[in-house]
Amino acid sequence: GENVEQHPSTLSVQEGDSAVIKCTYSDSASNYFPWYKQELGKRPQLIIDIRSNVGEKKDQRIAVTLNKTAKHFSLHITETQPEDSAVYFCAASITWRGGSEKLVFGKGTKLTVNP
Amino acid sequence: DGGITQSPKYLFRKEGQNVTLSCEQNLNHDAMYWYRQDPGQGLRLIYYSQIVNDFQKGDIAEGYSVSREKKESFPLTVTSAQKNPTAFYLCASTTGWGSDYGYTFGSGTRLTVV
Repeated sequence: GENVEQHPSTLSVQEGDSAVIKCTYSDSASNYFPWYKQELGKRPQLIIDIRSNVGEKKDQRIAVTLNKTAKHFSLHITETQPEDSAVYFCAASITWRGGSEKLVFGKGTKLTVNP
Repeated sequence: DGGITQSPKYLFRKEGQNVTLSCEQNLNHDAMYWYRQDPGQGLRLIYYSQIVNDFQKGDIAEGYSVSREKKESFPLTVTSAQKNPTAFYLCASTTGWGSDYGYTFGSGTRLTVV
């Protein structure tokens, strides 16, 4: 069935370094790709999203790239800070039963930024 | 709570007991969702509703039931048929019919079987 693969499952970087998280999706009709950040015990928060009509989007230290041909998209965090430590989830929209749409989530990446 | 409220924050269930988790939103969102989160499993969809009085099963609906009698409310009942209910449950909502809008999540309910 439709799924989203996310790698790596854990990522440890030094403060100031860059972090990259990659996701692949299976439904070629997917056209919306959000990224969520979840701190321990809290709700996931949308941090950036991209739609299929663009290849890249940037918001300060965070950027997302999309390659529709290869069906993969990536989250890039530059100049990482300890407060970036969290679990990050990617997601892709899929067409569900009856033509409705829903998001399918990756299994998450636990990012640790070491001071 | 960003317009979507889940209660209670912590819930303890005895074996064989049904429990209901509350989810209320004041965002005027049409679509609402219930996800279950287990360590290393990401977010798995239990049920979703695109409109009042209509809902659809997700990937892991067995042992759960929902209702959508009001636009603002989407309660989830964890029945005794759910054999491993201990998990973190997240409710989410989004505007419109499609999913090409960011989800707003509630703060979650942590359910534990005792």
